[in-house]
Amino acid sequence: GNSVTQMEGPVTLSEEAFLTINCTYTATGYPSLFWYVQYPGEGLQLLLKATKADDKGSNKGFEATYRKETTSFHLEKGSVQVSDSAVYFCALRKTSGSARQLTFGSGTQLTVLP
Amino acid sequence: DGGITQSPKYLFRKEGQNVTLSCEQNLNHDAMYWYRQDPGQGLRLIYYSQIVNDFQKGDIAEGYSVSREKKESFPLTVTSAQKNPTAFYLCASRDRGYNEQFFGPGTRLTVL
Repeated sequence: GNSVTQMEGPVTLSEEAFLTINCTYTATGYPSLFWYVQYPGEGLQLLLKATKADDKGSNKGFEATYRKETTSFHLEKGSVQVSDSAVYFCALRKTSGSARQLTFGSGTQLTVLP
Repeated sequence: DGGITQSPKYLFRKEGQNVTLSCEQNLNHDAMYWYRQDPGQGLRLIYYSQIVNDFQKGDIAEGYSVSREKKESFPLTVTSAQKNPTAFYLCASRDRGYNEQFFGPGTRLTVL
């Protein structure tokens, strides 16, 4: 079946540091890939997405590239801010078949210190 | 503004009581979903509905029930049969033909 594996947290960085959160997936076919962000006490917000191999999703300084050869979708940001402190979820959805669901990773807690 | 609302934000119930969580969307989305989130874990699908008057079980449906009588509403009932109901519950919706789901702010249920 489908699965998503994220690097375990928590991750603590100083402001302006470089961020990488690793995400790898297992799926048949060509899934769509997503990064969602969850701020404390809130629901999830879509951060970025990619729907085919070599696509790069980007938003608010965050980027992730769909790498089919390594089945990865790592999240990066060149210079993090305190306001980026949140939990980040990698997710996938198959583009064919049932409209059933997203498959989520377990989430990575990021804390950015001033 | 279009969006998804969940109410209440915090809910407390005594053990053995059924409780219903509200989810309403005005995005005109066809599909709606309920997820459960436990500390340090990802989201697990409880139920989903692709169309009015139809819904399917997700991965952890036992002890839960849903209805979809209107397009904009997808309430979730946590029954007394759910052995460990204390959790954060998230509702989401998706437009037909698109991949991404949009999430509500969540309801934190605590069973005392």
